[in-house]
Amino acid sequence: DAGVIQSPRHEVTEMGQEVTLRCKPISGHNSLFWYRQTMMRGLELLIYFNNNVPIDDSGMPEDRFSAKMPNASFSTLKIQPSEPRDSAVYFCASTRGRPGLKHYEQYFGPGTRLTVT
Amino acid sequence: TQLLEQSPQFLSIQEGENLTVYCNSSSVFSSLQWYRQEPGEGPVLLVTVVTGGEVKKLKRLTFQFGDARKDSSLHITAAQPGDTGLYLCAVPSSGSARQLTFGSGTQLTVLP
Repeated sequence: DAGVIQSPRHEVTEMGQEVTLRCKPISGHNSLFWYRQTMMRGLELLIYFNNNVPIDDSGMPEDRFSAKMPNASFSTLKIQPSEPRDSAVYFCASTRGRPGLKHYEQYFGPGTRLTVT
Repeated sequence: TQLLEQSPQFLSIQEGENLTVYCNSSSVFSSLQWYRQEPGEGPVLLVTVVTGGEVKKLKRLTFQFGDARKDSSLHITAAQPGDTGLYLCAVPSSGSARQLTFGSGTQLTVLP
């Protein structure tokens, strides 16, 4: 079975440009998470979708960041305009939520390494 | 203040040595997970512990959940270069069991 798919794997862009990261979760999973990982701050949750609806976006740094999930098999994270401090590895993860389950395994994609110069 | 404190932050050892890494908090959790992240990849779940005092073994890895469910340890026996990676502990967020909060991780390097 295919795991979580992310594209691109690497992105280098200049400050001020728009960046769009893409994610395809595992089929049948109904929760999707976007994380950002840096050496300084570790792995931070940016936003969490359940059944394509954003549930918690409190981790989104500022208005320059936006995320969408138009259907169960696709999500995007957009940064506009990008800044050098946005350089990080961005991960998408998914899980299958079921009523009454008390703990969940999150399945991570390989990440997108973003460099903003 | 981090919800989860992991120590040590970095650990470099020789192949064959034993090691223990820790995940500590002042909060009580219903469960705790350990993930391993290899270079260039996303984290992968190793184990979930749910009962205070619980011990789980995965080959040479031994995981323990503290009696009070506030902390956990990961012990590796006879470390191998393939154990190299970032070890992350994670707990469910208070708002949703599906949402996880991760510790800052322990970067382990096992030298051949």
